[in-house]
Amino acid sequence: AQSVAQPEDQVNVAEGNPLTVKCTYSVSGNPYLFWYVQYPNRGLQFLLKYITGDNLVKGSYGFEAEFNKSQTSFHLKKPSALVSDSALYFCAVRAPLTGTASKLTFGTGTRLQVTL
Amino acid sequence: EAQVTQNPRYLITVTGKKLTVTCSQNMNHEYMSWYRQDPGLGLRQIYYSMNVEVTDKGDVPEGYKVSRKEKRNFPLILESPSPNQTSLYFCASSLRRGSNYGYTFGSGTRLTVV
Repeated sequence: AQSVAQPEDQVNVAEGNPLTVKCTYSVSGNPYLFWYVQYPNRGLQFLLKYITGDNLVKGSYGFEAEFNKSQTSFHLKKPSALVSDSALYFCAVRAPLTGTASKLTFGTGTRLQVTL
Repeated sequence: EAQVTQNPRYLITVTGKKLTVTCSQNMNHEYMSWYRQDPGLGLRQIYYSMNVEVTDKGDVPEGYKVSRKEKRNFPLILESPSPNQTSLYFCASSLRRGSNYGYTFGSGTRLTVV
């Protein structure tokens, strides 16, 4: 069974500092990995994805994530955090399409708090 | 605008009173899914549908029903709601199963069962 772990319930960072939100996964085959962000009272919004190719993927709002196959990780990063980045972040994984419905499995979420 | 629309946004109901949460998408997506979000548990899939008249259980289907009579609509039905179904619910859609573009989510329905 596939799974995602987000080991930190909350990450606190000062504005202007770099941020990292951690994600590790378990899946059969090559993973398809996603990051979503949820702002208060809103649905989840797609940030970025890794399917294949360059291990460093860039997404919306200046975020990027690095795929590390040996460590089965897909950490979300941003060089300089903004207060407006404060939100709930979800990592998700799915296996390559195998002929059955390919389910997207989410982590439990990490709350990012950016302060002045 | 391409979107997934859920209604209502907020709902308070009493135990045992049947309710339906509607979900509609305007992107001609084949795949639709319902999730519930609970603190510390993340998002858990309730039901999904790969196309019209094709539905299947997710991880937590007990107490829920769905139907997919039209491609654009995927309502979630709680025949006899109970307090443990108090949660934040999200509908999501994708072009097709396994789409590389992930899902488009609705804005959520916060359900309270008293």
